Amino acid sequence: GAVVSQHPSRVICKSGTSVKIECRSLDFQATTMFWYRQFPKQSLMLMATSNEGSKATYEQGVEKDKFLINHASLTLSTLTVTSAHPEDSSFYICSATTSGTVLMAEQYFGPGTRLTVT
Amino acid sequence: AQSVSQHNHHVILSEAASLELGCNYSYGGTVNLFWYVQYPGQHLQLLLKYFSGDPLVKGIKGFEAEFIKSKFSFNLRKPSVQWSDTAEYFCAVRLLTGRRALTFGSGTRLQVQP
Repeated sequence: GAVVSQHPSRVICKSGTSVKIECRSLDFQATTMFWYRQFPKQSLMLMATSNEGSKATYEQGVEKDKFLINHASLTLSTLTVTSAHPEDSSFYICSATTSGTVLMAEQYFGPGTRLTVT
Repeated sequence: AQSVSQHNHHVILSEAASLELGCNYSYGGTVNLFWYVQYPGQHLQLLLKYFSGDPLVKGIKGFEAEFIKSKFSFNLRKPSVQWSDTAEYFCAVRLLTGRRALTFGSGTRLQVQP
């Protein structure tokens, strides 16, 4: 089946620094990738949708200048949390989908990245 | 905006008990429906999905779900749970128009006692 990886799996950073999280589709081309955020014991909340080669579409309330998303290739999307603050501490999960017929409506999720801002 | 409701936040069952987790969504158009499971410390895995056709969908690990269009529901069922089914279960909905992101319910934590 389709596999999505994320790197790093855990990261601790100091307040005010920036952190980059990578999301890769390992065995398929992902025309669309999604970034979610999951707080403890809560559901996934969509942050943004990124399509390869175009600007990401952010959900209401998500600061696009703070959460920079780049989807430069069909297998890689990155999320950069700029000037991180403790309230940005969370579990960030990416997912990927293709435009192929068989997989058109299915998303494949990465294992997530635990960000802790001290 | 569409929303997904999971009314059971925490369910505790003994092994071999039957399971039914409720999921309702609010959207009048055509949707795809999903159930995902998240085992402790692991990433989301797809249990089953409904796109069209037979409203009774069978998934992995003995799970099934029934789509009832008139009730906007997609309840998850399993006739006999096991300790290994202890996990968080998320219902999700995807519109067939516009972006292909999923809207998730708040999740149901299932605890199966041996």
